[in-house]
Amino acid sequence: EVQLVESGGGLVQPGGSLRLSCAASGFTFSSYVTSWVRQAPGKGLEWVSGISGSGSTTYYADSVKGRFTISRDNSKNTVYVQMNSLRAEDTAVYYCAKSLDCRTTNCYGAFYYYMDVWGKGTTVTVSS
Amino acid sequence: DIQMTQSPSTLSASVGDRVTLTCRASQSISSWLAWYQQKPGTAPKLLIYKASSLESGVPSRFSGSGSGTEFTLTISSLQPDDFATYYCQQYKSYWTFGQGTKVEIK
Repeated sequence: EVQLVESGGGLVQPGGSLRLSCAASGFTFSSYVTSWVRQAPGKGLEWVSGISGSGSTTYYADSVKGRFTISRDNSKNTVYVQMNSLRAEDTAVYYCAKSLDCRTTNCYGAFYYYMDVWGKGTTVTVSS
Repeated sequence: DIQMTQSPSTLSASVGDRVTLTCRASQSISSWLAWYQQKPGTAPKLLIYKASSLESGVPSRFSGSGSGTEFTLTISSLQPDDFATYYCQQYKSYWTFGQGTKVEIK
């Protein structure tokens, strides 16, 4: 069964740090981009960051650039996001999701791909 | 950056209704558009990709159309399980979601 499982969420003070993990199983992990998508309470979905299957290319939304760092360990089938200088507006459920890596797989003209499998999410609360 | 705008924000409908949701992109995204369904407290679920391709296991009452900047998601006969929030997402350049359309019971 294809599965993504997030962990590492919790309560952190403004200015603090947290590292989230996304553990994958059931598919060829290195063939997929893994992204983090967040959802603030009562709000919509916001793509936050992504990393190519090899880990050589990373992508960030402007809202987190310079504060969040995404990485992956393909030997452990796990993607991480290190979140520093956290703000109240980073409070959200954080989902990880996978999409085909069009750098290494034929995506028939696309450079990026849709997210076909999502984890259940982990909650991050930034508050004093 | 590509912006995605969905309308309406909320749609009230009854079981059996045909409903159409709209998504507009700020620039052409060809057919690189996906639709997701999300129910409260759960992760989004992929319904449609490449604007009109139905994801495996998704009921055929869901259909998508459009290209360029204008897209629609149609539910041909609304079922009780379909009351949820629907998001469009472009994947032409990185990933951007629309703000969502909540389909509620009339």
